[in-house]
Amino acid sequence: KAGVTQTPRYLIKTRGQQVTLSCSPISGHRSVSWYQQTPGQGLQFLFEYFSETQRNKGNFPGRFSGRQFSNSRSEMNVSTLELGDSALYLCACKNPGQGSGIQYFGAGTRLSVL
Amino acid sequence: AQSVTQLGSHVSVSEGALVLLRCNYSSSVPPYLFWYVQYPNQGLQLLLKYTSAATLVKGINGFEAEFKKSETSFHLTKPSAHMSDAAEYFCAVSQTGSGNTGKLIFGQGTTLQVKP
Repeated sequence: KAGVTQTPRYLIKTRGQQVTLSCSPISGHRSVSWYQQTPGQGLQFLFEYFSETQRNKGNFPGRFSGRQFSNSRSEMNVSTLELGDSALYLCACKNPGQGSGIQYFGAGTRLSVL
Repeated sequence: AQSVTQLGSHVSVSEGALVLLRCNYSSSVPPYLFWYVQYPNQGLQLLLKYTSAATLVKGINGFEAEFKKSETSFHLTKPSAHMSDAAEYFCAVSQTGSGNTGKLIFGQGTTLQVKP
């Protein structure tokens, strides 16, 4: 079966711009989470969406937002980009009916803010 | 609150030697524990998981980990390192039961170097 697909793989933006990243989960996996990975802070949880509703949120400013569509695809948006937003953004999906809590990750979108 | 500590940001072993990557966790509720591996320019791949069944968990590529509640540890081992094991390894924890949402708490990661 197809894995988790994140698009685009690479992005270059300038400060002040906004960006939208996309994630298509494994079929049937209705929980989608987003993580930010940086060399300094490591892997940090951004938020989780389940059935089009945000179920959990990490400690990030309001410039970071997301949404989920009825087909479980998710997007995250970062507005007013800052240099510190340069990171690898990873999407992960989970099948809520699977009690083990395993999350499956995409290859990520690498965002560079200049 | 939950947290994960990985001891050693870099571990170097010779090919064929034992691999030991350390992970200690903190959780007020029974946890789910995971080890993920990340190769350059890739996402995270699940190596193995502990979900309150057997305390010795076997994963892919010859890796295994043992859950020790008394020591709050979940160390990753492999008897004989291979060059292809060179990567970054992450230990992660999540809540069980009704708290089992899509939030994983990760350790800072350990880069494994395998020398020929």
